[in-house]
Amino acid sequence: ETGVTQTPRHLVMGMTNKKSLKCEQHLGHNAMYWYKQSAKKPLELMFVYNFKEQTENNSVPSRFSPECPNSSHLFLHLHTLQPEDSALYLCASSRGGTYNEQFFGPGTRLTVL
Amino acid sequence: SQELEQSPQSLIVQEGKNLTINCTSSKTLYGLYWYKQKYGEGLIFLMMLQKGGEEKSHEKITAKLDEKKQQSSLHITASQPSHAGIYLCGADGRNDMRFGAGTRLTVKP
Repeated sequence: ETGVTQTPRHLVMGMTNKKSLKCEQHLGHNAMYWYKQSAKKPLELMFVYNFKEQTENNSVPSRFSPECPNSSHLFLHLHTLQPEDSALYLCASSRGGTYNEQFFGPGTRLTVL
Repeated sequence: SQELEQSPQSLIVQEGKNLTINCTSSKTLYGLYWYKQKYGEGLIFLMMLQKGGEEKSHEKITAKLDEKKQQSSLHITASQPSHAGIYLCGADGRNDMRFGAGTRLTVKP
């Protein structure tokens, strides 16, 4: 039990759908992250929130929209995705500041048809 | 950006054998993390190294960071099937967090 949960665990969506991924951490952390993991590519950092403020956006397409309503919850809103967006999306949290020890959720396996 | 190269990409060892995985950075590392991932699942934190020459051990896994803080190794002694998975190194840059591509470890019983 990592203390970071993600829902759903699996998601299949069409290119015209709108869906959201949810992440919740029960560790009292202040920083939360979204990563994308595609086959045969390194883990890619997408977004970082520190104390609910977005501090990183690594040139992610606007069809991915993050939301952090409080330090325990993080969402990734998806709309008009492309098949190449199919990947494992991982959420992580850490105590605070930036990039110290991160605890990861189990991931959401996304397939875009 | 800070690039991390891991080697080997994949490794198959017989149970009981020792093995080493390497992680090399193009820039000085402010912090180096080792994680383990089972296929399709989240990452499990193993160890963090910050000081040049630092070495940490947990059970049969030892991680080292060289004096120049640009290379780290992960050594597993007497490997077991439970060690199988993907090992990733991750690094704090000054304004960035990057991961290596991972090393897939298979341990044959």
